[in-house]
Amino acid sequence: AQSVTQPDIHITVSEGASLELRCNYSYGATPYLFWYVQSPGQGLQLLLKYFSGDTLVQGIKGFEAEFKRSQSSFNLRKPSVHWSDAAEYFCAARGTDKLIFGTGTRLQVFP
Amino acid sequence: DSGVTQTPKHLITATGQRVTLRCSPRSGDLSVYWYQQSLDQGLQFLIQYYNGEERAKGNILERFSAQQFPDLHSELNLSSLELGDSALYFCASSDSSSGNTIYFGEGSWLTVV
Repeated sequence: AQSVTQPDIHITVSEGASLELRCNYSYGATPYLFWYVQSPGQGLQLLLKYFSGDTLVQGIKGFEAEFKRSQSSFNLRKPSVHWSDAAEYFCAARGTDKLIFGTGTRLQVFP
Repeated sequence: DSGVTQTPKHLITATGQRVTLRCSPRSGDLSVYWYQQSLDQGLQFLIQYYNGEERAKGNILERFSAQQFPDLHSELNLSSLELGDSALYFCASSDSSSGNTIYFGEGSWLTVV
């Protein structure tokens, strides 16, 4: 069955530290891959997406993600986290139909 | 701002009641999706419409129904509400039936008391 796994439920980092959020997918073929962010009480904002081509994709707010076919992964990274990055991050994938989400990773940022 | 508009933003209603959530997709988007976000179930796909026709169905209860109108706005109808239906309901849209990028609205918070 198609699935998206985010193994880290909660991550805490210090402001200015680097960040990597993990995402693995299970699909018959390489799906389209996305990262969304949800701030408290807010909707889902698209950070970045991967369809094909360059496996390192750049997104908004200084985020990037790397697609690794061999590992079925699409990890999100940011070199220096800001306090405003505290939010919940969702990895998602779609084949030809619906978008399937991971369970999310809650990011907490300490000053 | 994603361009997807949902109303109402917040709604409190009693068990057994019926509510309607409304969604206006981004200009030109033909596909509309509904998702439910709850603490125990996470983000669950409910249903997709494309240009007025139902295209895909997910974990949508029989008490729930949706439709997409000729002007492409969509409504999600929730009836015989139960406490467990309390959740954040998202509408999203994309620009083709298999639209690669799906943009989400800010959601409608439903509280059933």
